[in-house]
Amino acid sequence: GAVVSQHPSWVICKSGTSVKIECRSLDFQATTMFWYRQFPKQSLMLMATSNEGSKATYEQGVEKDKFLINHASLTLSTLTVTSAHPEDSSFYICSARDRRGQYNQPQHFGDGTRLSIL
Amino acid sequence: AQTVTQSQPEMSVQEAETVTLSCTYDTSESDYYLFWYKQPPSRQMILVIRQEAYKQQNATENRFSVNFQKAAKSFSLKISDSQLGDAAMYFCAYRTLNTGNQFYFGTGTSLTVIP
Repeated sequence: GAVVSQHPSWVICKSGTSVKIECRSLDFQATTMFWYRQFPKQSLMLMATSNEGSKATYEQGVEKDKFLINHASLTLSTLTVTSAHPEDSSFYICSARDRRGQYNQPQHFGDGTRLSIL
Repeated sequence: AQTVTQSQPEMSVQEAETVTLSCTYDTSESDYYLFWYKQPPSRQMILVIRQEAYKQQNATENRFSVNFQKAAKSFSLKISDSQLGDAAMYFCAYRTLNTGNQFYFGTGTSLTVIP
């Protein structure tokens, strides 16, 4: 089945550091990828929609300059948390939609990245 | 934007018994898709079942079935013959057909299976 690889799975870094998270579709092309944030015991909150070759669409309340998204190819989207602070600590999950997919097809999720800012 | 509501933060079921998880949503769209996802402690999102809004027939997938009431905007998940491996967070999700095809997730229901 379709696989989405997310890397790294866990990162711990100091406050003020920028952290890049990668989301790759391994066996399909994804014109659209989605980035979610999930706090403990809470739901997935859509942060932004990443479109290949164009600017990402951010949800209301998400800082574009804080969470930089790049979707440079049909199989890779990256999320960079710039100048991360402890309040950015969270679980980040990406998902991808097969460009050939019909609307009833589910998104394929990565396994998530646990980000801890000290 | 669409909203998805799961009114049961926690549920428990005896092993081998049946449990129903509730989900309601709010939308002005006539066509859309609904999903149930399972998130075990590993936090991997696993698709459980999907339903097309234009279909009146309720989707079934082995021990999992849904009760889709379009007029009431209700989409409940029934798990039959519950197993220990069913213990997880369950999220109801709505998928719009508008540009972007975003998913909107409910707040989740934590299911405990009692041996």
